[in-house]
Amino acid sequence: QEQLVESGGGVVQPGRSLRLSCAASGFIFNSYDMHWVRQAPGKGLEWVAVIWSQATNKYYTDSVKGRFAISRDNSKNMLYLQMNSLRAEDTAVYYCARETPKYDAFDIWGQGTMVTVAS
Amino acid sequence: QSVLTQPPSVSGAPGQRVTISCTGTSSNIGAGYDVHWYQQLPGTAPKLLIYGNNNRPSGVPDRFSGSKSGTSASLAITGLQAEDEADYYCQSYDSSLSGWVFGGGTKLTVL
Repeated sequence: QEQLVESGGGVVQPGRSLRLSCAASGFIFNSYDMHWVRQAPGKGLEWVAVIWSQATNKYYTDSVKGRFAISRDNSKNMLYLQMNSLRAEDTAVYYCARETPKYDAFDIWGQGTMVTVAS
Repeated sequence: QSVLTQPPSVSGAPGQRVTISCTGTSSNIGAGYDVHWYQQLPGTAPKLLIYGNNNRPSGVPDRFSGSKSGTSASLAITGLQAEDEADYYCQSYDSSLSGWVFGGGTKLTVL
């Protein structure tokens, strides 16, 4: 079935880097725009970044611009989020999500991976 | 401070009908962008509940319905069941921010 599985989360010190991965299966990965969405502990959902299906465009929420980089490898059905200069406020569960065709909604979500930024 | 405004909590007894509002602005809902709704059960990932304002993905009961008017949208749940107790989020696109935006979430309690 259609599935997304994140990995790469963990505890990291402020200022350090971390790379998240998202493995897609069960659908034609290179046909879909893909997103990262995060959720701080006890808080709501926050959109982080999007990458178009052929990686021609990438967009970010203001708070991560210049620090985070979204990428994908369509040959491996993989989505990535490189997170640099991490801050305490980046602590959250990070979800990868597939965007529906024709609608800007997220129809498939991964289970999430927890990132904790603390000294 | 979320771009889309939702009530923090709503509640209802089993069998009753509840609605959750989602208020936006002229750069998101009011600009004509679709509204989508998600259900997040405790400890799990969000699940798409309503897309394109009023469409249900396969497998979502018809007890759930969505509507949109002007700069606002609503999610209605009829025949409330204990299993509906969850957090609900609305989502749209914002042209001023050039990004996807969520409401702050509404916790539904089934009394």
